[in-house]
Amino acid sequence: EVQLVESGGGLVQPGGSLRLSCVASGFTFGNYWMHWVRQAPGKGLVWVSRVNPDGTTTNNADSVKGRFTISRDNAKNTLYLQMNSLRAEDTAVYYCARDFLRDGYISDAFDLWGQGTMVTVSS
Amino acid sequence: DIQMTQSPSTLSASVGDRVTITCRASQSIRNWLAWYQQKPGKAPKLLLYDASSLESGVPSRFSGGGSGTEFTLTISSLQPDDFATYYCQQYDTYSTFGGGTKVEIK
Repeated sequence: EVQLVESGGGLVQPGGSLRLSCVASGFTFGNYWMHWVRQAPGKGLVWVSRVNPDGTTTNNADSVKGRFTISRDNAKNTLYLQMNSLRAEDTAVYYCARDFLRDGYISDAFDLWGQGTMVTVSS
Repeated sequence: DIQMTQSPSTLSASVGDRVTITCRASQSIRNWLAWYQQKPGKAPKLLLYDASSLESGVPSRFSGGGSGTEFTLTISSLQPDDFATYYCQQYDTYSTFGGGTKVEIK
């Protein structure tokens, strides 16, 4: 089955760190750009970060620059999001998502999403 | 940054109604626009891409149009499974989503 499964969310204090993981199955993970998208409770969707197929190129939204790092391990079919210096406004469900295009091309549209993992930043 | 504005934010409709949602971009995004459907507690689902191309497996009652800065999502005959929140997304320059349109039962 083609799917993405996130894990690693939880409750963390302001200023703390958390690492999210997303395990891919059912497709050739290393052929795709991968993304993180978040959704604060009751709010809309916000793109967070992206990484190219071999992990050498990354881009982040301004709101997380210098605090979040996206990476991947293609041997483990796993995408990561290292989140440092967390703030209350980072509280959200975090989704990993697959880019619509394959073979190294990028569209920034997303055709496959995980179920999401909840991150709560609170003291 | 490109801003995306959806209207209306909420839409009340009945089964069988024709429904149209509008999405406007703050600058031209050519046809680099996608539409997603999201149900409570679930991940978004891609419905259309490149403004008017239907994703595989999506019912043909969904259609999209527009280019440049103004776009529409139309559901030709609303079905019970279609009550959900819909988001537009530009992917001309990185990615930005609209604020969402909740389609609720009238």
